[in-house]
Amino acid sequence: EAQVTQNPRYLITVTGKKLTVTCSQNMNHEYMSWYRQDPGLGLRQIYYSMNVEVTDKGDVPEGYKVSRKEKRNFPLILESPSPNQTSLYFCASSLSSSPYEQYFGPGTRLTVT
Amino acid sequence: AQTVTQSQPEMSVQEAETVTLSCTYDTSESDYYLFWYKQPPSRQMILVIRQEAYKQQNATENRFSVNFQKAAKSFSLKISDSQLGDAAMYFCARDGGNQFYFGTGTSLTVIP
Repeated sequence: EAQVTQNPRYLITVTGKKLTVTCSQNMNHEYMSWYRQDPGLGLRQIYYSMNVEVTDKGDVPEGYKVSRKEKRNFPLILESPSPNQTSLYFCASSLSSSPYEQYFGPGTRLTVT
Repeated sequence: AQTVTQSQPEMSVQEAETVTLSCTYDTSESDYYLFWYKQPPSRQMILVIRQEAYKQQNATENRFSVNFQKAAKSFSLKISDSQLGDAAMYFCARDGGNQFYFGTGTSLTVIP
């Protein structure tokens, strides 16, 4: 089954404790992206990747890191999480960038206390 | 700034009726794509419909259609014969370079 998986689905952590949210797709997609969703703000793009070893900043990259060492994986790293990073995070992938449909993962609910 | 504006935070519609969700956007590009995504309570994001800016004809997908007004930078979504399963948050989005820009969403309630 074609899908985007994210782990963990829920995470509660404390300020400053490094964490990684994994994202994996099995569709051989070139384009992958991370978004955060906050009430009243919609989805905002954090980072995106056009292909292996090619990543670029979206609109809200501060406090986040990504890497794309393999085509299928695109982890999101928070090296020192802060409470303002409490959010719902989505990973997405598509064949390439627009106009292709983005396939979204199920989301990761992150709470930083 | 690349912005997408959805001015209706909440909308409601009677089952079997028609509802229109509004979206406006900002861009300096001449060719681009526009999208409507649906997010039901399960949180899964699902593509509803997409429109290429240089195509004059409005896109349709079954009960879903758009009213694309390029000069006005407007991209509204019309849902006909609304069903209970249409209840969801709807996000308008557009591309820009290799990025995507989403609106703040419209929460649609379907009244039985």
